[in-house]
Amino acid sequence: DTGVSQNPRHKITKRGQNVTFRCDPISEHNRLYWYRQTLGQGPEFLTYFQNEAQLEKSRLLSDRFSAERPKGSFSTLEIQRTEQGDSAMYLCASSLPARGAFFGQGTRLTVV
Amino acid sequence: QKEVEQNSGPLSVPEGAIASLNCTYSDRGSQSFFWYRQYSGKSPELIMSIYSNGDKEDGRFTAQLNKASQYVSLLIRDSQPSDSATYLCAARRAVGGSQGNLIFGKGTKLSVKP
Repeated sequence: DTGVSQNPRHKITKRGQNVTFRCDPISEHNRLYWYRQTLGQGPEFLTYFQNEAQLEKSRLLSDRFSAERPKGSFSTLEIQRTEQGDSAMYLCASSLPARGAFFGQGTRLTVV
Repeated sequence: QKEVEQNSGPLSVPEGAIASLNCTYSDRGSQSFFWYRQYSGKSPELIMSIYSNGDKEDGRFTAQLNKASQYVSLLIRDSQPSDSATYLCAARRAVGGSQGNLIFGKGTKLSVKP
């Protein structure tokens, strides 16, 4: 399967715990994006990378969120001290610079 | 003002009809535009890309772009019940002369009645 792969698919965590999600993009895509989506809303931009460089981070994003893309391959998104409001679907996508992005299946986070 | 705006619907059309979905964007520097289809509980799927003014056709789908009016639309001909989904419009922002990130609208829910 050469599509975007996200792990885990589901994560249930207690409030205050840290969680980390992984995204493996399509191999030839140098751009990688993270979005968050809640019910009835479109994907909300979190951050994106070109190769290993983090080019933009949403101003709405709390300091509890951090993302990395070492060596320009896979990426991780970490949420520290989770809150109930962090419950959402976390989507990763990859693309070539001027082209449309292809999404992974997402990681559904539930904070209890 | 949100950067990409869509009517949330629901838009209901009979099977076989043309469904028309609309989107406006605020960043005049946006260069490329995309339509995604999202079934309930699934992730968005890219169905159309458009980069220049005019129409672009792909099977039953036609995307239309008018940069002067900052308007993008998607027409679905011969609508089928399987087209029932939420359709997301996305614009790629221009940042310092280069292509930036993708900004999405909230989506329009389409229902095609048999």
